[in-house]
Order: sequence, then structure tokens, then C-alpha cells
Amino acid sequence: EPEVTQTPSHQVTQMGQEVILRCVPISNHLYFYWYRQILGQKVEFLVSFYNNEISEKSEIFDDQFSVERPDGSNFTLKIRSTKLEDSAMYFCASSESGFSYNEQFFGPGTRLTVL
Amino acid sequence: DAKTTQPPSMDCAEGRAANLPCNHSTISGNEYVYWYRQIHSQGPQYIIHGLKNNETNEMASLIITEDRKSSTLILPHATLRDTAVYYCIVRRTTNAGKSTFGDGTTLTVKP
Repeated sequence: EPEVTQTPSHQVTQMGQEVILRCVPISNHLYFYWYRQILGQKVEFLVSFYNNEISEKSEIFDDQFSVERPDGSNFTLKIRSTKLEDSAMYFCASSESGFSYNEQFFGPGTRLTVL
Repeated sequence: DAKTTQPPSMDCAEGRAANLPCNHSTISGNEYVYWYRQIHSQGPQYIIHGLKNNETNEMASLIITEDRKSSTLILPHATLRDTAVYYCIVRRTTNAGKSTFGDGTTLTVKP
């Protein structure tokens, strides 16, 4: 069964460093998403991406964050200058379309630890 | 987004049906109800979704009331591996389609 994959599974970085989290969405999907979950808190929407553009972003997704689809398979989340409060699980998701009748499939997540 | 209300926790005996309720009284006519679950800190796992008819798949059944203001997820024969946080989500019908997660219900299946 097709699945969303994410690398690395765990990333440790120093405050102020740049990190890139990588995702490979399901191959025929067109909409891509990033969510995050701070330990013990809710899963929060960050951004949705379609046709090489951001469709929607949350208040969390400030200028420190960017997303890119550098080739036909990868979808990346970059955090330019990490802060302690960026420590969280980051989940990538994809769906065939953005319409609510198409389910979103989530990856296993990347645990980001900022020291 | 339509708000959902779920009980914070529920227990279920192994082998019995687990019935997880969700209230979504402000749902709009073309918004779908989705159920996901999350085991430990793994990625949310899609379970089932529906608009107004009852739905069944290999994992679960979804019962939506006629007025669509509430729904119930049914795991017909719960196992220990079904212990997880279950989220009921109402997704907007837009071309962005984000999911808004609440606190969910922590289901504990007991032997």
C-alpha cells in the first residue's frame, strides 16, 4: 500500500541552525501538507501546498518557515533559524485533492529536537 | 471550521465493540466527518470518513445521525493494538482541505 515517508526520523540541531525536513508524498497525490505536534499538545496545521504554491498557512508558519517541492517526488520544510520552541514532531501529509472527500495520509513524522 | 466535541477518555474490553462518540453540531451541509487515530507519537492514521450516509470499511464503521450533528465511530472487535487517541475532524470543503485536530478521545482497550 502506498505511504508517505519522511526523513530523518529524528533530527537534533543547535538553536539558530537551519534544518530541512524531507517528505516523499504518495505518488499520485497533488496536495501536500505539514503539521506539527509539540509534545503533549494537539496536532497543528502549518501549511498546505498545491501546484508549487502555498494554498494556506497558519499563524505558526512565519518567515522562518518555507516549503518547497524541489523535484517530482520530494516535499521539504525548511526552518531557517531554529528556536527552542520549534522542538516538536513534524508530520507531512498528502491527498489526491484538497477537497474534503479525499482523505489525507500522514507520514510517520520527524522528531526535531532543538538544543 | 466546525468544532467537534469528544469525551477525553474511554475504556473498552478486548474483543468488545468500542463506540466513540463525537458531537459536531455546527457542521455545514457539505463538510465531511473524518476519523483518525494516533498511537503514541506516530503519524495520525486515517480510519474512515463520511458525509451523511453510514460507512464501513475493514477498520471501522461510521454512523452519522440524520441531522449530521453527531457521529459514532465503531470498532467492532477492539484489540489491545487499538489503544490510541482517536480524533473526530470536520474538514472544510475548500481547495486547501486542512485538518483541524482537537484533543481527541484516548481509548484504552483492556484485556
